[in-house]
Amino acid sequence: GAGVSQSPSNKVTEKGKDVELRCDPISGHTALYWYRQRLGQGLEFLIYFQGNSAPDKSGLPSDRFSAERTGESVSTLTIQRTQQEDSAVYLCASSLSGGPGEQYFGPGTRLTVT
Amino acid sequence: DQQVKQNSPSLSVQEGRISILNCDYTNSMFDYFLWYKKYPAEGPTFLISISSIKDKNEDGRFTVFLNKSAKHLSLHIVPSQPGDSAVYFCAAPNQAGTALIFGKGTTLSVSS
Repeated sequence: GAGVSQSPSNKVTEKGKDVELRCDPISGHTALYWYRQRLGQGLEFLIYFQGNSAPDKSGLPSDRFSAERTGESVSTLTIQRTQQEDSAVYLCASSLSGGPGEQYFGPGTRLTVT
Repeated sequence: DQQVKQNSPSLSVQEGRISILNCDYTNSMFDYFLWYKKYPAEGPTFLISISSIKDKNEDGRFTVFLNKSAKHLSLHIVPSQPGDSAVYFCAAPNQAGTALIFGKGTTLSVSS
């Protein structure tokens, strides 16, 4: 079946512009996660959704970052007034019901802020 | 403060030999661990996991060993194949179960 999809695959933006990144999780997966991977680093947790609610937003690095999820499906990660340090690969993952088990990742969006 | 550490950024192995990838953790409350494999321009894919009630879990060519007293786990790949060349991440769920905490990864190169 279809896996996790993300769009766009690549995004180049100028410093100070806003960007929106989209994630389509696996159908029926109630849990959705956003991570980012900066160059040479591991994956860094950003936010966790259970259904349309976000009980854990502790990884969002600043108030320029926000995310929403609608219809227990699609999620959008928005970064306002982008900075060069926001350059990273942004990865979305989903799992059937959350908890400590396996997460299924999308291919990521490579964001470059110039 | 890194809770999951992969201290070797890279490892090179010949085809057919054993690959051993190492991971250390600092939080003694971690009770479940996962290994993910990542190819360039793709998302990580789940490889194998282990619960702290076990000290070994095997799946085909892949075996994960857990040493709780040393807070250390390792992934063994036998025999290694060129298609195993990828970045391998060790991960553990956070206490709330809301996220995975990842190490920085080890890049494995298997030469034929």
